[in-house]
Amino acid sequence: QLQLEESGPGLMKPSETLSLTCSVSGDSISTSDYYWGWIRQPPGKELEWVGSFYRSGATFYNPSLESRVTISVDTSKNQFSLKVTSMTAADTAVYYCARQDSYGYWDYWGQGTLVTVSS
Amino acid sequence: DIVMTQSPLSLPVTPGEPASISCRSGLSLLHTNGHNYLDWYLQRPGQSPQLLIYLGSNRASGVPDRFSGSGSGAVFTLKISRVEAEDVGVYYCMQSLQTPYTFGQGTKLEIK
Repeated sequence: QLQLEESGPGLMKPSETLSLTCSVSGDSISTSDYYWGWIRQPPGKELEWVGSFYRSGATFYNPSLESRVTISVDTSKNQFSLKVTSMTAADTAVYYCARQDSYGYWDYWGQGTLVTVSS
Repeated sequence: DIVMTQSPLSLPVTPGEPASISCRSGLSLLHTNGHNYLDWYLQRPGQSPQLLIYLGSNRASGVPDRFSGSGSGAVFTLKISRVEAEDVGVYYCMQSLQTPYTFGQGTKLEIK
């Protein structure tokens, strides 16, 4: 059974860089025909796509975040990571990692991790 | 960006009664391959979103057949034939036609 699990700092200060990791079990991110990515949800608000990647190395980012976001992959650990620079209170959200079918829909999600930005 | 608009935003329903949620996109989601790139998700309280319907009308694995998706182009509907207590949560539509993928505001279904 496919499982995804996010891990991260929880609480951050403004201007710091967020680093989140998604650990995947039950599928290989280096050989899978699926895409993988991140989606976030500010408290009480709707979902927002952050970015996705494919095993080929192709990455796709939301233009609203592209200047501050990087997705990287560690195939040896079957993990992928999200970095967001210059964090502000507006980046406070639950961050989900998920698997994405080639048709675009997200079929498996992690449980999410809350990241709070506060001074 | 493709704007996704859902209605209603709040939906109180009596158990056993049907429910319907509308989703409109700012651009046609019908691809030249014949698929509508519109998906539905349910986020139960305190949980991650789960996929209900993909490509407009296909139920995801394990989703009860009381859920159905219909529509084409820019107008879509999610229907629940008989609402059960476990259907409580926020329903989101999402377009997967082009990046950035965008979600609707969500429709909160509650039991009367």
